[in-house]
Amino acid sequence: GAVVSQHPSRVICKSGTSVKIECRSLDFQATTMFWYRQFPKQSLMLMATSNEGSKATYEQGVEKDKFLINHASLTLSTLTVTSAHPEDSSFYICSARDPDRGDGGELFFGEGSRLTVL
Amino acid sequence: SQKIEQNSEALNIQEGKTATLTCNYTNYSPAYLQWYRQDPGRGPVFLLLIRENEKEKRKERLKVTFDTTLKQSLFHITASQPADSATYLCALYGQNFVFGPGTRLSVLP
Repeated sequence: GAVVSQHPSRVICKSGTSVKIECRSLDFQATTMFWYRQFPKQSLMLMATSNEGSKATYEQGVEKDKFLINHASLTLSTLTVTSAHPEDSSFYICSARDPDRGDGGELFFGEGSRLTVL
Repeated sequence: SQKIEQNSEALNIQEGKTATLTCNYTNYSPAYLQWYRQDPGRGPVFLLLIRENEKEKRKERLKVTFDTTLKQSLFHITASQPADSATYLCALYGQNFVFGPGTRLSVLP
C-alpha cells in the first residue's frame, strides 16, 4: 500500500482564500519531505524541501510567504497556499525518502493534490 | 546550466514490442539515476535506481542502462502491454533530485 499519503486529493477554492495540503508518511519517519508542483504535461518542479523541526528550504523563485510549509512532526508536513489566485491552480505532490527501505534512494510520492482556484 | 532531456514527449508502440525510452543530461554528475512511472492525476511511482558505477540493472520486464560517459540512460520495457501505458520520468540525484520532462508511452493492442 501507499507509504506516503496526501490529502485532500482535490480542492476547489475561491480566489483570496488559503488552502492547506497535508502529507503524511504512514509507516516510516521522514525528517525531510519534498514539495513539488506540476503543470499539465510538464515535469515535477521542486518547490521546497521541508525539514522537521526547522525552516523549509525554498527553491529559487518560490515565494515562501505564499507557500507556507510546516513540518511539525516526523510524519507530517503541510503546505499552505495563502491568498490563492487562479495562477496557483496546479497539481501539488509531496514525497519523502525512507532510508531503511529498498536502496534507500527512492522517493515515495503522495497521491497528489489538484488545486483549482476560481 | 543543468539540463535533462527525454527523447520524445510521446511514444507509441505495438503490444509485445520492446519500448525504449532515453534520458540525456548535461552539466550534471549524478550519484545515481532513477526511473518513475506516473499515471494521469497520480503521483509518480518508483521503478528502478541505477548508481553511477553500475552499467545495467533489471527488474522483471524492465531494464535500465547508465552510461556516464555519454551522459545517458536507456529504459527498456520488454514484451510491452497496454497496462504499461503511462508517463515515464527519469530523475537524477546529485545534491537533490531533478526530474526530466517525461515520455508519455502508449502501448497499442
